[in-house]
Amino acid sequence: EDQVTQSPEALRLQEGESSSLNCSYTVSGLRGLFWYRQDPGKGPEFLFTLYSAGEEKEKERLKATLTKKESFLHITAPKPEDSATYLCAVQARDNFNKFYFGSGTKLNVKP
Amino acid sequence: NAGVTQTPKFRVLKTGQSMTLLCAQDMNHEYMYWYRQDPGMGLRLIHYSVGEGTTAKGEVPDGYNVSRLKKQNFLLGLESAAPSQTSVYFCASSYSRDVVYNEQFFGPGTRLTVL
Repeated sequence: EDQVTQSPEALRLQEGESSSLNCSYTVSGLRGLFWYRQDPGKGPEFLFTLYSAGEEKEKERLKATLTKKESFLHITAPKPEDSATYLCAVQARDNFNKFYFGSGTKLNVKP
Repeated sequence: NAGVTQTPKFRVLKTGQSMTLLCAQDMNHEYMYWYRQDPGMGLRLIHYSVGEGTTAKGEVPDGYNVSRLKKQNFLLGLESAAPSQTSVYFCASSYSRDVVYNEQFFGPGTRLTVL
């Protein structure tokens, strides 16, 4: 069964304190792995797509990496405006019309 | 560009009542999706459409129906609402299911409470 697990459920950081969020997945052939940011009361906002193990993508203070079993979202020197819930989703190669989402990591960055 | 819009933003129903949620996108996307988001469970796919006039079941389709009569609109219907359908509903669209350009763009959500 296709499954996505994110950890930790919640993370509190001080401003400037770097850390990583984890997304582990089991899927019968990965077509793509997606990272989204979701602010309270809003819809998810697309951040990155990763397609193959070893791939990395960066955007400002965020860097996403991918292995065969998991993805990491590294946050370098976070600011309070990075506070949000970060969602991970996978698209399977044999059923690419469906996306499987994790339950997210809620990040709180304190000034 | 408005992107993906959803109406209404909030709604309270009584058990057994019916309603329709409307999703509209102005990006000329082929693919559209309806998800529900519940605390601790992540987004779950209800129904999706790969083009005008086509629909298909997702992970949790029971109790819902959909229609895609126009490319830009995707409607989600609840024929007889149940308290278990209390949730936040998100619509999304994507340009393609190919490897490139397949990220989904989400609407702002509809918060539905069924009493």
